[in-house]
Amino acid sequence: GAGVSQSPSNKVTEKGKDVELRCDPISGHTALYWYRQRLGQGLEFLIYFQGNSAPDKSGLPSDRFSAERTGESVSTLTIQRTQQEDSAVYLCASTFGGISSYNEQFFGPGTRLTVL
Amino acid sequence: GENVEQHPSTLSVQEGDSAVIKCTYSDSASNYFPWYKQELGKRPQLIIDIRSNVGEKKDQRIAVTLNKTAKHFSLHITETQPEDSAVYFCAATSNAGGTSYGKLTFGQGTILTVHP
Repeated sequence: GAGVSQSPSNKVTEKGKDVELRCDPISGHTALYWYRQRLGQGLEFLIYFQGNSAPDKSGLPSDRFSAERTGESVSTLTIQRTQQEDSAVYLCASTFGGISSYNEQFFGPGTRLTVL
Repeated sequence: GENVEQHPSTLSVQEGDSAVIKCTYSDSASNYFPWYKQELGKRPQLIIDIRSNVGEKKDQRIAVTLNKTAKHFSLHITETQPEDSAVYFCAATSNAGGTSYGKLTFGQGTILTVHP
């Protein structure tokens, strides 16, 4: 079936605006992760969902960042009052389940966010 | 929490040579160590992984070794080809805080360039 998809692929916004990034995980994957990847950097964990619950939000950089997941499927990451330092690629990944730490994470193509 | 250090940050080899990338981790409870390959502008993709109860794993030209005592693991690519050129990320799971899910902490990445 289809892999993880994300939209938009690119987003350019002005400083201070709000943005919403969307992730569609692989069907049946109960666990979903958001990561941030700054240019030339590694992947920085933001938040983890198991079903529609987020047991680990420890990576969200500030209260301007929030995320939700509905129907154990689609997830949206919202960044309010964007700042230039928010510019990065935001990656979503999903796995079959959250109990085992051995599950392969399948990544989406990412959303490249540019804040002017 | 977990901390993963990856070296070198860049690696340049001639086609046919071997390439080795090394990672260290801090949390002795980490038990799963995947390696991801990310081609320019593409999503990260799992290339090989190893669990903490195994010391070495091979898949054709790729191998990973794990030294739990020293808390380091390495990726070995033999007979490198130009198409191996990409950014490689190591990662480790941590059960810090009592979580048992696959929260990955990534290294900073190694840019591998294979010259024809």
